[in-house]
Amino acid sequence: DTEVTQTPKHLVMGMTNKKSLKCEQHMGHRAMYWYKQKAKKPPELMFVYSYEKLSINESVPSRFSPECPNSSLLNLHLHALQPEDSALYLCASSQELPGTSGSGEQFFGPGTRLTVL
Amino acid sequence: GQNIDQPTEMTATEGAIVQINCTYQTSGFNGLFWYQQHAGEAPTFLSYNVLDGLEEKGRFSSFLSRSKGYSYLLLKELQMKDSASYLCAVRDFTGGGNKLTFGTGTQLKVEL
Repeated sequence: DTEVTQTPKHLVMGMTNKKSLKCEQHMGHRAMYWYKQKAKKPPELMFVYSYEKLSINESVPSRFSPECPNSSLLNLHLHALQPEDSALYLCASSQELPGTSGSGEQFFGPGTRLTVL
Repeated sequence: GQNIDQPTEMTATEGAIVQINCTYQTSGFNGLFWYQQHAGEAPTFLSYNVLDGLEEKGRFSSFLSRSKGYSYLLLKELQMKDSASYLCAVRDFTGGGNKLTFGTGTQLKVEL
């Protein structure tokens, strides 16, 4: 299984709602990532989890709250978002570095298209 | 931090060869990746370079010169399905070596 899955595929929420994005992989990867991508822009890193611990937070506002319940799952909890947070949210996973003999490339899920009204 | 530059757009003809350049300035280099992204889809991995030289994978090749902070992706025998955005991404040592920073992307259009 070389797939990263994400749910939901689309999400529309109001600024007062609380919602969660979910990501799952079964490739045995111990590094997992959240990215935000606006239209015609490259993905921007938000968070990195390494062995279920948060290793990078790219100064993301606290209205985004990541969680890694186990080595296969990654969640992104959303609360009090703004319309400018509307974007494609991508999850990715990779082998943990160092200690890998490969390139450690990241495998991306299909993303959740989020619209904040 | 990272500063990664790519041309915004390129157009090429089906069957031809196209070279997409990427220049970068990095505070710590731990590999360079090329990804392909079709509109509305996830990025997919194309190639990886960590040492200087050329890596070839079928119709795709990627070159790296670390001293020049330069890479290119070469696509041969272009097909219509190659129309996509091509993203250069540099990995550094932040957070245990997992931080990937993407360039702005090059939108490639393949025409008949």
